[in-house]
Amino acid sequence: EVQLVESGGALVQPGRSLRLSCAASGFTFSSAWMNWVRQAPGKGLEWVGRIRSKTDGGTADYGAPVKGRFTISRDDSKNMLYLQMNSLKSEDTAVYYCTTLDSDYGSLDYWGQGTLVTVSS
Amino acid sequence: SYELTQPPSVSVSPGQTATITCSGDELGDKYACWFQQKPGQSPVLVIHQNGNRPSGIPERFSGSNSGNTATLTISGTQPMDEANYYCQAWDRSTAIFGGGTKLTVL
Repeated sequence: EVQLVESGGALVQPGRSLRLSCAASGFTFSSAWMNWVRQAPGKGLEWVGRIRSKTDGGTADYGAPVKGRFTISRDDSKNMLYLQMNSLKSEDTAVYYCTTLDSDYGSLDYWGQGTLVTVSS
Repeated sequence: SYELTQPPSVSVSPGQTATITCSGDELGDKYACWFQQKPGQSPVLVIHQNGNRPSGIPERFSGSNSGNTATLTISGTQPMDEANYYCQAWDRSTAIFGGGTKLTVL
């Protein structure tokens, strides 16, 4: 059974940094492309970014609102996905979801339960 | 930038067919997915590759995609189908989500 468990969400002041983690199990993590999606309170879904498998280059792409501030990384030895968030803004307040990503068809097949990040002074 | 447009709300009576649309420029040239999200829960993939159902998704959920519109159809809608539904597609290397449609079953 695929499991994705996010952690690291917290209340943080504007301008500060935070790192989210996603523990993956139930599939071959090293072969998987992975994704982060966020959802502001009462709002819709917004794509944060994705990271390819090491076999496919291991590079990441980001959505415009977070490009240059957020960095996605992975540790295949630990089956862990990370989201490093710097220069946080109030508009980054959201539940952050880790998802798997089908590299052939682009579907976000499995989602974690999410972790809440609140950016406020 | 690429946009996907959904109606904010759709209402349907139990047992009837619900249709939710998602519009985008030449969307039919892309793969569309649909997600169901109930209050307090994570989104669940209900349709991928325009019209394929993941395992465990009831047969009453179907999808199509042509021209500028992708469509999610729920046949014989049940009260448990009441939820927010989001369409999604990729434009170049960016995932785009529609704004979401609240489906009310009454």
